[in-house]
Amino acid sequence: GAVVSQHPSRVICKSGTSVKIECRSLDFQATTMFWYRQFPKKSLMLMATSNEGSKATYEQGVEKDKFLINHASLTLSTLTVTSAHPEDSSFYICSARDPGTATGELFFGEGSRLTVL
Amino acid sequence: DAKTTQPNSMESNEEEPVHLPCNHSTISGTDYIHWYRQLPSQGPEYVIHGLTSNVNNRMASLAIAEDRKSSTLILHRATLRDAAVYYCILRDWVKTSYDKVIFGPGTSLSVIP
Repeated sequence: GAVVSQHPSRVICKSGTSVKIECRSLDFQATTMFWYRQFPKKSLMLMATSNEGSKATYEQGVEKDKFLINHASLTLSTLTVTSAHPEDSSFYICSARDPGTATGELFFGEGSRLTVL
Repeated sequence: DAKTTQPNSMESNEEEPVHLPCNHSTISGTDYIHWYRQLPSQGPEYVIHGLTSNVNNRMASLAIAEDRKSSTLILHRATLRDAAVYYCILRDWVKTSYDKVIFGPGTSLSVIP
């Protein structure tokens, strides 16, 4: 089946630094990827829709200058948390749909746990 | 967007069947019913999907009401590894190339040894 991979799975950084998380579709091309964040014992919250070759679409309340999304190729989207602070600590998850499947099931990365000290 | 409602939590004994309900009374004719589950500290994984007919796969069965306003995910024999949060989601097959997915709170399934 389709596979989506995230890297790194865990990252710890100091407050004020920037962190980049990569999301790759390994065996299919994804023109659209989705980024979510998840706090403990909460559901996934959609942050933005990443579109290959164009600007990302951010959900209301998500700072686009804080969470930079780049979708430079059909297999790679990156999320950069700029000037990270402890409140940005969270579990970040990406997902993509395999266009080869007609019924729209999504495939998710393993998630990236960010801890900001 | 058509919404779904699920119980917040359920419990099951190990090796017993589990029926996880989902209500989607505003479902449209082009919506597929998808189920995903999320194990602790992992990204969600696809479980099963259906449109009108009941569906079976190696992970689970999906029973869809005749009016499509509700569905039930069936785990035939719960194991400890099935303890997860289960999400019921509607996916419009006409818009799936760009349609974003909003997750509700899902059902947290606990499996008792």
